[in-house]
Amino acid sequence: DVKVTQSSRYLVKRTGEKVFLECVQDMDHENMFWYRQDPGLGLRLIYFSYDVKMKEKGDIPEGYSVSREKKERFSLILESASTNQTSMYLCASSPAGLAGTGELFFGEGSRLTVL
Amino acid sequence: TQLLEQSPQFLSIQEGENLTVYCNSSSVFSSLQWYRQEPGEGPVLLVTVVTGGEVKKLKRLTFQFGDARKDSSLHITAAQPGDTGLYLCAGDRTNAGKSTFGDGTTLTVKP
Repeated sequence: DVKVTQSSRYLVKRTGEKVFLECVQDMDHENMFWYRQDPGLGLRLIYFSYDVKMKEKGDIPEGYSVSREKKERFSLILESASTNQTSMYLCASSPAGLAGTGELFFGEGSRLTVL
Repeated sequence: TQLLEQSPQFLSIQEGENLTVYCNSSSVFSSLQWYRQEPGEGPVLLVTVVTGGEVKKLKRLTFQFGDARKDSSLHITAAQPGDTGLYLCAGDRTNAGKSTFGDGTTLTVKP
């Protein structure tokens, strides 16, 4: 079974802190994604990556950065956390090219609260 | 404007009833997925539909992709309390894995 593991299920941080959310997948997928999920707004794409060292902005990249140094790991960074970044963060992966049909495999989510 | 519109937004039914959830768009999708999400967890993939007119069955769940590949439906027969959750449709227009999600349908099945 595909396994996408997010390092922290629940985090509480203070405004201005730097926050790292880690995601690891074990299926050798090329594509990795970070979404945030908020009531009434659905899932919104923050950043994605199709390969190591590669990253592309999604629909709401402001206030976030990412790092993909290894194929299996995709990190989301909040340089200076703000209260409006309180949300559920979801990491996902998928295979690329002909092996891919748009299917996403999600982690369990990281619930971040910024005070 | 939401690219994928799901309806209804909320649905509360009794155990044993049937229901249908809709996912509509004006855009054509190369594939469309349905996910189910429980509170505090990530979405779990239920099915992918690729061909216009395609029908897929997963036990009591029937998924249909519209002929023009712009819409989809999820029908649940004889709903059970275990079907309770948030149902999300997502479409990939380019097969690049960059999916757009609908807002979801929150289903509650009462015993």
